[in-house]
Amino acid sequence: KAGVTQTPRYLIKTRGQQVTLSCSPISGHRSVSWYQQTPGQGLQFLFEYFSETQRNKGNFPGRFSGRQFSNSRSEMNVSTLELGDSALYLCASSLTSVNEQFFGPGTRLTVL
Amino acid sequence: AQKITQTQPGMFVQEKEAVTLDCTYDTSDPSYGLFWYKQPSSGEMIFLIYQGSYDQQNATEGRYSLNFQKARKSANLVISASQLGDSAMYFCAMRGPYSGGYQKVTFGTGTKLQVIP
Repeated sequence: KAGVTQTPRYLIKTRGQQVTLSCSPISGHRSVSWYQQTPGQGLQFLFEYFSETQRNKGNFPGRFSGRQFSNSRSEMNVSTLELGDSALYLCASSLTSVNEQFFGPGTRLTVL
Repeated sequence: AQKITQTQPGMFVQEKEAVTLDCTYDTSDPSYGLFWYKQPSSGEMIFLIYQGSYDQQNATEGRYSLNFQKARKSANLVISASQLGDSAMYFCAMRGPYSGGYQKVTFGTGTKLQVIP
């Protein structure tokens, strides 16, 4: 069974640009969550989707958005990139509850 | 406010020994979930164990157990028979109850565990 995949694995952007990250969950998993990890702020929860609906979200500005498609694949978008958005973005999937999540390898975003 | 505290930035343990990683939490909500994750140097996060606030028994998953002391608001992770592959960062996290349609998620700062052969 394939694990959670995230694309791209590495990304370099410049300030002001926008970026879209993709996450494909484990087959059959309907819940997808996104997390940001930085050296300064640590791990922070971004949002969670279940069956194409945002079920939960963290405390991030509106520049951060996401969506989930009918096949459970999810994308997150960051508009007007700032230097502080440089981070490892992790995606996790689970069957229904978030009590046992499986994580992808992450996308490392660098904003110059 | 919801808060997770991991007071041990780094720890060493001898291979095959048991080790306890500390986690204390603060919340005024009676309903919450506590999680432990492992992050090796490769960066990929691995879910280890979950404990619900109403669970009567301590959670266990193989060599991992969660020492849940509700009155003390602590949720320490115990790893028995440490292996070299256990060397990693370990994060404690909490999910609060749904309020206004949203559930607050908080992570600790992590503990770096190094297993010595």
